[in-house]
Amino acid sequence: GDSVTQTEGQVALSEEDFLTIHCNYSASGYPTLFWYVQYPGEGPQLLFRASRDKEKGSSRGFEATYDKGTTSFHLRKASVQESDSAVYYCALSADTGANTGKLTFGHGTILRVHP
Amino acid sequence: GALVYQYPRRTICKSGTSMRMECQAVGFQATSVAWYRQSPQKTFELIALSTVNSAIKYEQNFTQEKFPISHPNLSFSSMTVLNAYLEDRGLYLCGARHRPYAEQFFGPGTRLTVL
Repeated sequence: GDSVTQTEGQVALSEEDFLTIHCNYSASGYPTLFWYVQYPGEGPQLLFRASRDKEKGSSRGFEATYDKGTTSFHLRKASVQESDSAVYYCALSADTGANTGKLTFGHGTILRVHP
Repeated sequence: GALVYQYPRRTICKSGTSMRMECQAVGFQATSVAWYRQSPQKTFELIALSTVNSAIKYEQNFTQEKFPISHPNLSFSSMTVLNAYLEDRGLYLCGARHRPYAEQFFGPGTRLTVL
């Protein structure tokens, strides 16, 4: 079945540090890839999505590029802020047949940014 | 904008009793609604996927007899947890979308505590 593997556990950074959270996927067909962010007490919010090879998604300074060759969609931000502290999820939707509408999530990566 | 409301936000029930949670889409037509459970470790389990004009599809380890779902129109869905026990604790999230390949919009979740 489909699966998503992302940087495990917690990433601790200082403000203005560069962020990378790795995401690799395994799916049949040509999935759409997503990054979601979840703040305490809230549901996941979409950061951005990408549907085609080499497509770059971006929002709020975060970006990721769909790479079909390496089956990756790594999240990057050049300069993080304390307000970016949250849990980040990489997800995919295969949207084929019986799986239409199903999102497969990675296990989440906790980002803590210290002032 | 597209919003998803869930209620109640928190609920406590006694072991062996049942509770119902609701999900409402505002600003778009929810042709597809997915119910997830998020564990304390932050991982997501898909419970079931409900698409208008199709049968509700339950994932392995989840059944209609335990988690009956209703999706009567394009703005509302409800799910009941029957005979809740400790292992049913968690944050129940509703993700709704209006068309294939689109992102899911999530509500804030219903946190279920079982005593």
